Amino acid sequence: DTAVSQTPKYLVTQMGNDKSIKCEQNLGHDTMYWYKQDSKKFLKIMFSYNNKELIINETVPNRFSPKSPDKAHLNLHINSLELGDSAVYFCASSHEGNTEAFFGQGTRLTVV
Amino acid sequence: GNSVTQMEGPVTLSEEAFLTINCTYTATGYPSLFWYVQYPGEGLQLLLKATKADDKGSNKGFEATYRKETTSFHLEKGSVQVSDSAVYFCAFMDTGRRALTFGSGTRLQVQP
Repeated sequence: DTAVSQTPKYLVTQMGNDKSIKCEQNLGHDTMYWYKQDSKKFLKIMFSYNNKELIINETVPNRFSPKSPDKAHLNLHINSLELGDSAVYFCASSHEGNTEAFFGQGTRLTVV
Repeated sequence: GNSVTQMEGPVTLSEEAFLTINCTYTATGYPSLFWYVQYPGEGLQLLLKATKADDKGSNKGFEATYRKETTSFHLEKGSVQVSDSAVYFCAFMDTGRRALTFGSGTRLQVQP
């Protein structure tokens, strides 16, 4: 069983489109995250949720909107995609936000 | 602000060579420290961790010791293998923000 799973693994789309990435964890964790990894492999936190409540909202364009329907899911919706949004997006989860995080396999988003 | 600094790569070694990847951090208090590894085309996996000063984390022949006095968590392995080729990330859990802060990653290439 995959602990943190995100779909799709690859996403190629045109500028201006709206897309969503889904994430689910079966670890019973109460904190979930979205990280962005750029072309130089640098990882940066975008959002975190604890018990469905938004905890961290970094300086991310408001075209990015996370949604947490329950503790086990944290989806990422992106409106009006731009070329600069091309990156690998990782979902992660942890227990109470103070232990190691477990990561999904990543979603490689390519905007053309 | 809080940050992690790790040596730039790529680090290129021959099989069975000794590995050191330096990592220092700037953080409030004494956060938990981690090394994550990312193999080509995959997500991040926790390699090892240390939660308090002088703790030594170890896994798969890799080791790192939490040095409070030098705010360091250097990764070492006595004899690397080709299969260790990956990108290694040093990170700490920012207990205030309850999210991991990552270094920029160090690419390790091990040649047979």
